[in-house]
Amino acid sequence: QSALTQPASVSGSPGQSITISCTGTSSDVGTYNLVSWYQQHPGKAPKLIIYEVDKRPSGVSNLFSGAKSGNTASLTISGLQADDEADYYCCSYAGSSTLVFGGGTKLTVL
Amino acid sequence: QVQLQQWGAGLLKPSETLSLTCAVYGGSFSGYYCSWIRQFPGKGLEWIGEINHIGSTNYNPSLKSRLTMSEDTSKNQFSLKLNSVTAADTALYYCAGRRGEGKYYFDYWGQGSLVTVSS
Repeated sequence: QSALTQPASVSGSPGQSITISCTGTSSDVGTYNLVSWYQQHPGKAPKLIIYEVDKRPSGVSNLFSGAKSGNTASLTISGLQADDEADYYCCSYAGSSTLVFGGGTKLTVL
Repeated sequence: QVQLQQWGAGLLKPSETLSLTCAVYGGSFSGYYCSWIRQFPGKGLEWIGEINHIGSTNYNPSLKSRLTMSEDTSKNQFSLKLNSVTAADTALYYCAGRRGEGKYYFDYWGQGSLVTVSS
C-alpha cells in the first residue's frame, strides 16, 4: 500500500484555474470511484471538499470540482481566491477495507 | 452538529505505548466508523485504522501488529493504542469520522493531538 502521488506544489493567480493530480494504481484509484479530496489551512484539521471522485458536500463552493481518468484523479479549482491557498490531499479506497492518502500539494495563490 | 474531541499523552519515550481517545459530541456515532489518521512533520497523511460502534476494526497492514482500537459506546468514545513507538511515530494524530459501509470519506475531524517520541 503506497501513498498516492501528488505534485508537491502548484500555484496560480487570482481568478485563474489550477488542477492538482493524484496518481495511484489499479489497486486503488484505478478500480474504485472512492476518491476524496481535503483542504487544510495552516493549524487546522483537513476539511472534506470532494468525495466519490466528483461530488461536493453541502456548503462547499462549486468552484471545486473533481474527476478521474484511469489511475489518476484530479481536483480543479476555478476562479482562484486568496483563501484557496492551502494544502490539498487526495485519499482513495485501496481495497480490503483500507484507505490511502496522497502526499499533499501546497497551493500558492500569487 | 457532530463534533469530535480528542486527548492523550503528548510526549513518549521509545518503546512506550501511545494512547489517544476521541469523544463524539452532538450526536450518536452509531453507524459511523471512527478512523485514526496521522500527519507527519513533513505534512503527509497516513490512515492508521478505524473502528465502528460495534467494535469492528480495520487496520493499516503496515501498523497492524502494533495497533489496538477499542470503543465505549456508552460514553460515545473511541480509543487508539499503538505500542512500541519510535521516533518515526512522531506526528499529529487525528480522529475522523466516516459514515459507514461504502462511504469512504471523512466528514468529521477532531482537533488533532501532537505526539512526540523522544528519549
